[in-house]
Amino acid sequence: EDQVTQSPEALRLQEGESSSLNCSYTVSGLRGLFWYRQDPGKGPEFLFTLYSAGEEKEKERLKATLTKKESFLHITAPKPEDSATYLCAVQADGSNYQLIWGAGTKLIIKP
Amino acid sequence: DTAVSQTPKYLVTQMGNDKSIKCEQNLGHDTMYWYKQDSKKFLKIMFSYNNKELIINETVPNRFSPKSPDKAHLNLHINSLELGDSAVYFCASSQEVGGLAHEQFFGPGTRLTVL
Repeated sequence: EDQVTQSPEALRLQEGESSSLNCSYTVSGLRGLFWYRQDPGKGPEFLFTLYSAGEEKEKERLKATLTKKESFLHITAPKPEDSATYLCAVQADGSNYQLIWGAGTKLIIKP
Repeated sequence: DTAVSQTPKYLVTQMGNDKSIKCEQNLGHDTMYWYKQDSKKFLKIMFSYNNKELIINETVPNRFSPKSPDKAHLNLHINSLELGDSAVYFCASSQEVGGLAHEQFFGPGTRLTVL
């Protein structure tokens, strides 16, 4: 069965303390892996799409990487405004555009 | 110039009532979705329309009925509301190009509270 698991559930960091969020996936064939950010009371905001193992994408303090089994969202020198829930989702072959979502990692950056 | 908009943002109603949530996207996308996000923040797909055709219809009570009058609009009608329907409902849209998976863009959500 296709599945996406994110860890940790929650992560508290000091401002400037770099870390990584994990997204492990099990799908029959990967069409794409997506990272989103969700702030309280708002809809998920798209961050990155990764298509194949070895691919990396960066945006400001965020860098997403992909292997055949998992993806990491690396956060370098985070600021309090990076606090949010980060969601991972995958689209599998033959899924008819459907995304399989992880439960998210709630990131809190303390000043 | 909001990309995906939903109305209303908040909806408070009594059990047994019928209500509708509207969604519009101005991105020119051909696929639209309805998601339910429960108190644990897990996103669950409910329906998806591609060019006004229903392509995803997950196991949801048939009290929920989507309707897509055109590619830019996808509405959700809920009959006989129950307490368990309380959640945040998100509309999203995407455009598939060249066989690659493409990101979905989300609306701001509608918080439904059933009393």
